Amino acid sequence: GQNIDQPTEMTATEGAIVQINCTYQTSGFNGLFWYQQHAGEAPTFLSYNVLDGLEEKGRFSSFLSRSKGYSYLLLKELQMKDSASYLCAVRDVGDYKLSFGAGTTVTVRA
Amino acid sequence: ETGVTQSPTHLIKTRGQQVTLRCSSQSGHNTVSWYQQALGQGPQFIFQYYREEENGRGNFPPRFSGLQFPNYSSELNVNALELDDSALYLCASSKPGTRETQYFGPGTRLLVL
Repeated sequence: GQNIDQPTEMTATEGAIVQINCTYQTSGFNGLFWYQQHAGEAPTFLSYNVLDGLEEKGRFSSFLSRSKGYSYLLLKELQMKDSASYLCAVRDVGDYKLSFGAGTTVTVRA
Repeated sequence: ETGVTQSPTHLIKTRGQQVTLRCSSQSGHNTVSWYQQALGQGPQFIFQYYREEENGRGNFPPRFSGLQFPNYSSELNVNALELDDSALYLCASSKPGTRETQYFGPGTRLLVL
């Protein structure tokens, strides 16, 4: 089975940096994904890690340590539009299903 | 925009009824996955279809069933609706492969009364 943990809520100021941690215990691992989900909308893909290390994509970066079962999503230069839920998801071996954490609600304040 | 479409956007049903939700995948994607997302929770995997065959199933009862058509569009059917089935139903399309990402449609919000 899969057990994926991430904080429930985080608050940060516009222009600041926020780091959202995700720890996982899974029976199989074939990649970790981060999605952004605004209230009432579908999740949108942000990043993918399958090897250890940092992947950078503009203001967003994601890090993975497979030996520690740990990932983080780093959001830099926060903007008001970044207020959303951020979902950590692990893909199982066999390349078919994603197991999601409950999501971290990030609130950006002026 | 991911190119994944779902219909209807909203639906209200009563307990015991049956519902069919529809999904059209992104062009070039032959795999469709369905997820249920309750309020305040992450999406939960229901099942996946690849080339018209079920390719994996989550912990959902048999009254949740699906189909995939030759054009890779898909349906999710839920029989004997229960109040707890009220949720956002998401479909995601992808191509099989190590790095292929699942792209989500806008979802169908189902309310069971």
